[in-house]
Amino acid sequence: EAQVTQNPRYLITVTGKKLTVTCSQNMNHEYMSWYRQDPGLGLRQIYYSMNVEVTDKGDVPEGYKVSRKEKRNFPLILESPSPNQTSLYFCASSFSPGAVSGYTFGSGTRLTVV
Amino acid sequence: KQEVTQIPAALSVPEGENLVLNCSFTDSAIYNLQWFRQDPGKGLTSLLLIQSSQREQTSGRLNASLDKSSGRSTLYIAASQPGDSATYLCAAHYGGSQGNLIFGKGTKLSVKP
Repeated sequence: EAQVTQNPRYLITVTGKKLTVTCSQNMNHEYMSWYRQDPGLGLRQIYYSMNVEVTDKGDVPEGYKVSRKEKRNFPLILESPSPNQTSLYFCASSFSPGAVSGYTFGSGTRLTVV
Repeated sequence: KQEVTQIPAALSVPEGENLVLNCSFTDSAIYNLQWFRQDPGKGLTSLLLIQSSQREQTSGRLNASLDKSSGRSTLYIAASQPGDSATYLCAAHYGGSQGNLIFGKGTKLSVKP
């Protein structure tokens, strides 16, 4: 089944403890992206990647890092999480930005930072 | 600034009713528009994508239209069912390598048996 897999689904952590949220897709997509969803603010893009070793900032990149060492994986790294990063995170992938096949999203990771 | 608005924020209808969800966007230079469904505790499921050159797309009981000149898209759901209850999001894409989707805040639909 074609899908984007995120892990973990739920995570509670403490301020300052480094964490990584993994994202993997099995559709051979070149483009991948991370979003966060917050009440009243909707979904906002954090980082995106056009291909292996090509990443760039989205609209809200502060406090996050990403890497793209393999085509299928696009982990989101929070080196020193803070409570304002408590959110619902989604990974998305596509053949290319604006591809007619659209974007496929993962099931989400609910992160709580205390 | 490119913005997407969805009204109403919530909608409750009886089962079997035909309904229309609205999405408006401020910048008419849209590349495509995608409708998603979000269920509690689950991810976003893509429903339909309309390219800027298209007027509408259909999938089963769903029909999405796009009117660039008026900055509007609608999602029509025929013969609604309780299983259609979810939050529906529209997202505009304006091209470019960033590939950023500009999302509306969604319409929460409740279909009562």
